[in-house]
Amino acid sequence: QQQVKQSPQSLIVQKGGISIINCAYENTAFDYFPWYQQFPGKGPALLIAIRPDVSEKKEGRFTISFNKSAKQFSLHIMDSQPGDSATYFCAAAQGYQKVTFGIGTKLQVIP
Amino acid sequence: GAVVSQHPSRVICKSGTSVKIECRSLDFQATTMFWYRQFPKKSLMLMATSNEGSKATYEQGVEKDKFLINHASLTLSTLTVTSAHPEDSSFYICSARAPGQTNEKLFFGSGTQLSVL
Repeated sequence: QQQVKQSPQSLIVQKGGISIINCAYENTAFDYFPWYQQFPGKGPALLIAIRPDVSEKKEGRFTISFNKSAKQFSLHIMDSQPGDSATYFCAAAQGYQKVTFGIGTKLQVIP
Repeated sequence: GAVVSQHPSRVICKSGTSVKIECRSLDFQATTMFWYRQFPKKSLMLMATSNEGSKATYEQGVEKDKFLINHASLTLSTLTVTSAHPEDSSFYICSARAPGQTNEKLFFGSGTQLSVL
């Protein structure tokens, strides 16, 4: 059972454009929704995270939008840059329990 | 930020041999460490949760006798792939969390690419 569904699996965006990645979850007990960025051959690194008591969180060019009733959340990357090219994973967790990852989205930002 | 060091970054071994991967928390004590496996273009699949001083908890379908996990100190956990076979070839990643910290303070190692010939 895939608890966190992520789409699209790949995304090509022009430099300066907006990259949008969507995720949906099933377990309403999840209370922590992070996004991780992973470069080839490296481990994932926390990019930004949100808790369900807020609908939006912004850090620089990265914004998480959260819709609790729809059980969906998304990552927006504004002014996308070639250096943003990486694989992005949404994830969810409940309390101290394990983090469940989405399938990942490979983002390519072209000049 | 906190640093988790994973070693080696890449290992190639012959079928039937055992391989040990180390995961160290460099600037914090990690009572809990997690081991993941990642296939190319796939997500991270949790293999086991390792707690210092106790036996690891394995996810369903993960062979505990094949993937031996030892978490003998607050800064070191090891994953040993015993009698490795080509199907064990994968990218293995560890993560660590300090005592009392939530998943917001979960830090990942840089991964180990295992290739079994």
